Amino acid sequence: GAGVSQTPSNKVTEKGKYVELRCDPISGHTALYWYRQSLGQGPEFLIYFQGTGAADDSGLPNDRFFAVRPEGSVSTLKIQRTERGDSAVYLCASSLEAGTREKLFFGSGTQLSVL
Amino acid sequence: GIQVEQSPPDLILQEGANSTLRCNFSDSVNNLQWFHQNPWGQLINLFYIPSGTKQNGRLSATTVATERYSLLYISSSQTTDSGVYFCAVERTTDSWGKLQFGAGTQVVVTP
Repeated sequence: GAGVSQTPSNKVTEKGKYVELRCDPISGHTALYWYRQSLGQGPEFLIYFQGTGAADDSGLPNDRFFAVRPEGSVSTLKIQRTERGDSAVYLCASSLEAGTREKLFFGSGTQLSVL
Repeated sequence: GIQVEQSPPDLILQEGANSTLRCNFSDSVNNLQWFHQNPWGQLINLFYIPSGTKQNGRLSATTVATERYSLLYISSSQTTDSGVYFCAVERTTDSWGKLQFGAGTQVVVTP
């Protein structure tokens, strides 16, 4: 596609529920990243994929968060037993290759609200 | 972790004015990028500039890696320049793509 696509754009859920957020990177981009942005702050790194494998998941806050990229393209961020503190904009980005210093291109994000 | 400080936190400009945004960082970096987040939340990559100077239209950026700072220049500002400008860096010892963002500079350009 022309850009990084994220769905849904908005997700409202209740505390304790499970949610999935989807990211479709730019076609041909092998590296994919998830970030989280709270109101008034800069994005925070969560996890980075090179191909199908998670190369660095050190930013995931706890074991309720998990992400997959089974075919090396689309990725899904999964949050179990959601808490109100998980409310934020979840951003996905992609870049052409990992291991080279290239620009990151971000999607429009998914606004997650946990009631 | 690496500290990224941006200044000023807020900036109000009259249309046509010039301005300079600053980003200081606390450790050696091999990746520095400037982003503009528009009022609808979309993050747009402006520059990949771990060192040196680059220009793109009315915007230019300079990074002095040895002194651990970067500057973003906006010339002849327009209302469409409004939004939040973020500096993001990756430490030399970190994995690729693990960018640490600053808190941003909120820019408002008035007609």
